[in-house]
Amino acid sequence: DAGVIQSPRHEVTEMGQEVTLRCKLISGHNSLFWYRQTMMRGLELLIYFNNNVPIDDSGMPEDRFSAKMPNASFSTLKIQPSEPRDSAVYFCASSLGQARSGANVLTFGAGSRLTVL
Amino acid sequence: DAKTTQPPSMDCAEGRAANLPCNHSTISGNEYVYWYRQIHSQGPQYIIHGLKNNETNEMASLIITEDRKSSTLILPHATLRDTAVYYCIVRVPGANNLFFGTGTRLTVIP
Repeated sequence: DAGVIQSPRHEVTEMGQEVTLRCKLISGHNSLFWYRQTMMRGLELLIYFNNNVPIDDSGMPEDRFSAKMPNASFSTLKIQPSEPRDSAVYFCASSLGQARSGANVLTFGAGSRLTVL
Repeated sequence: DAKTTQPPSMDCAEGRAANLPCNHSTISGNEYVYWYRQIHSQGPQYIIHGLKNNETNEMASLIITEDRKSSTLILPHATLRDTAVYYCIVRVPGANNLFFGTGTRLTVIP
């Protein structure tokens, strides 16, 4: 398995532009997590899906952020309009199960580094 | 989830065992201890987890004290590629979030 695949790996955009980050889950996994990492705040959970349904979006910063799972293997995180403070590395992770088992393990992608000028 | 306390940084000589401590004094009976690491510019990587008993896999060993208030991750023969930030996390089964904290930055020295 190729693991969790994220694209693009790097994105540089100007303030006000729309940004779309993409994630392909590991085949057979049914839970999807979007995290954001900055020097100041570390790794923060933005949103979590189980079986394509958003379960917890309390970490989504504001209405400019939205995430979807159009199918069981793919997710997008959209920022519109983007702002310089959104600059960060965005990680997608997937797992098998609803995180109810102590054995539940998250597999992370390589991340998408976003720079908003 | 219970909070964890880890030293901010540690050094280890290449080939020696790296022992990374974690304090989780408020851990509850059904919370597991997880360890992840993040090598520079990569996503976090799962290492090992445990509840009460010591655990070992191909990457590391996890030693949990009898009162479960602390644990130690052991990398038996550290290599330069083990240089990373190591996160100790306690988590209740069913909790959706993994709170990563600030971790311990391990530097393996040649």
